[in-house]
Amino acid sequence: EAGVTQFPSHSVIEKGQTVTLRCDPISGHDNLYWYRRVMGKEIKFLLHFVKESKQDESGMPNNRFLAERTGGTYSTLKVQPAELEDSGVYFCASSQETGNSPLHFGNGTRLTVT
Amino acid sequence: AQKVTQAQTEISVVEKEDVTLDCVYETRDTTYYLFWYKQPPSGELVFLIRRNSFDEQNEISGRYSWNFQKSTSSFNFTITASQVVDSAVYFCALSEALSSNDYKLSFGAGTTVTVRA
Repeated sequence: EAGVTQFPSHSVIEKGQTVTLRCDPISGHDNLYWYRRVMGKEIKFLLHFVKESKQDESGMPNNRFLAERTGGTYSTLKVQPAELEDSGVYFCASSQETGNSPLHFGNGTRLTVT
Repeated sequence: AQKVTQAQTEISVVEKEDVTLDCVYETRDTTYYLFWYKQPPSGELVFLIRRNSFDEQNEISGRYSWNFQKSTSSFNFTITASQVVDSAVYFCALSEALSSNDYKLSFGAGTTVTVRA
């Protein structure tokens, strides 16, 4: 079974530019999550999709971040315009059930804003 | 307030030594879950264990063991006879119910373990 895949693995952009991160969850997993780890700190929750609906987006830092999951399959996370403090590793995770099913994480996208 | 505290930022050991990673959590829920994840150099987060708040039995899986102490709100992780391949960042996480259908993982800051040959 293919795991959670994220693209790109690395992205370096200048402040003010736009970047779109993509996540392909494990096939059949309705739940998709985005998390972020900034500068060696703890991994923080951004949002949670159940199929194509946003179940919880309380962790989204501001309106420069837009997440979508059209059709309930892959998801994108767009940052526009990017700021220096957006640098970090963005993780996507999926799970088949809600409750406390272990999340399957991808390799993450390392975003550097210069 | 931080919900999961991993006080050790970095630990360096020589191969075959045992290493214990501390995790202290904070929650008002009576039902919750605790997790450990491993992040090897390749980057992905690998699930290691899930423990619910009603099960205080210690668990052993090969060279890994976990000690859950509800009285001290701790869920410590020990690697016995460490190997170079154990070098990674280890994260402790707490899952709390926000609603009947919405759970959120809160992670600690992670502990970087370096095992030297």
